[in-house]
Amino acid sequence: DTAVSQTPKYLVTQMGNDKSIKCEQNLGHDTMYWYKQDSKKFLKIMFSYNNKELIINETVPNRFSPKSPDKAHLNLHINSLELGDSAVYFCASSQAAQAYGYTFGSGTRLTVV
Amino acid sequence: SQQGEEDPQALSIQEGENATMNCSYKTSINNLQWYRQNSGRGLVHLILIRSNEREKHSGRLRVTLDTSKKSSSLLITASRAADTASYFCATANNYGGATNKLIFGTGTLLAVQP
Repeated sequence: DTAVSQTPKYLVTQMGNDKSIKCEQNLGHDTMYWYKQDSKKFLKIMFSYNNKELIINETVPNRFSPKSPDKAHLNLHINSLELGDSAVYFCASSQAAQAYGYTFGSGTRLTVV
Repeated sequence: SQQGEEDPQALSIQEGENATMNCSYKTSINNLQWYRQNSGRGLVHLILIRSNEREKHSGRLRVTLDTSKKSSSLLITASRAADTASYFCATANNYGGATNKLIFGTGTLLAVQP
């Protein structure tokens, strides 16, 4: 199936831990994104990578570090997790040079206890 | 801050009725997009309208764009129970080079009663 797939789907962890979320797309898109959706369903862009290069970094705390080993993968590593990090994190991809919509993954629900 | 404000925040209608959702935004845009999100799922792209277009259709969906008022509307005709979801508008702005930065509105929760 052509898609954006992210793992894990659910992540429950204690404050202070470090965790990673992985994302892969097989659509051949050149740009990938991380969005955070809070409990009120507000969606906020965090990062964007174009061909492995960071192009958008939206004042996200340094504890969040994206890594793109190749243009099909964009992983998100979070250090020293805090209660406020609890949210649903969505990965997405698009073909940046064309005005098409984004394709989203199904989300990772992160709960910090 | 959010680029788009959507109205209404929640909408409940009967199957077969039409549903209209509105979106207002603040800055100039390249295009405006509408997405659907079913409960507990990811967002699904529905339709994209460019800044030089005024109306676009896709199946039971009709989108209008008024750049002078910085507003858009999404009309779903002959609604079905399966249309129950949250609907988000998103505006695309240039962010250096060819990259579009997509900023989402606050969303409208649509409930279609069978």
